[in-house]
Amino acid sequence: EAQVTQNPRYLITVTGKKLTVTCSQNMNHEYMSWYRQDPGLGLRQIYYSMNVEVTDKGDVPEGYKVSRKEKRNFPLILESPSPNQTSLYFCASSSGPSGKAFFGQGTRLTVV
Amino acid sequence: AQSVSQHNHHVILSEAASLELGCNYSYGGTVNLFWYVQYPGQHLQLLLKYFSGDPLVKGIKGFEAEFIKSKFSFNLRKPSVQWSDTAEYFCAVGFQKLVFGTGTRLLVSP
Repeated sequence: EAQVTQNPRYLITVTGKKLTVTCSQNMNHEYMSWYRQDPGLGLRQIYYSMNVEVTDKGDVPEGYKVSRKEKRNFPLILESPSPNQTSLYFCASSSGPSGKAFFGQGTRLTVV
Repeated sequence: AQSVSQHNHHVILSEAASLELGCNYSYGGTVNLFWYVQYPGQHLQLLLKYFSGDPLVKGIKGFEAEFIKSKFSFNLRKPSVQWSDTAEYFCAVGFQKLVFGTGTRLLVSP
């Protein structure tokens, strides 16, 4: 079954404590991306990756890092989380940047 | 830069009412068009997509959308909504990347 798996689903952390949200897909997609969803703002792209070792900034990259060492995995790293990064995060993968995207279940992050 | 506008932020309907959600985009070239649905507490799922061909596309659960190139629009329709259609609906446009609208929250009362 085609799947994008994110972990954890829920996370509460304190300001400044580094965290990583994992994302894995089983569809051999080259393109993966991270979005944050905030009320009234829809989904905004944080970072994307066109292929292994190829990553680039999306619309709201500040405060985030990503890596793409393997095709299937695309972790999102918050080196020093702040309260304004409290949000719902989605990982997505697709065969290309403008194609049908498959989304993970989401990670609800709260930074206190 | 391409942008996507969804004009209705909140829509409340009674069951069996007809639905139309507006979506307009700014890019003038060839784009891929999508509608995604997010049920409460769940991730986004594809409702329907348009890449080329017949501008009237049918998706899952009785939804359809019409691409009108001259109006840069891709409105979502359903003739008769059900309580289970309560969700948030996102229009998305794909050119060099996917750009999402801000979403429309639909509440269907029984």
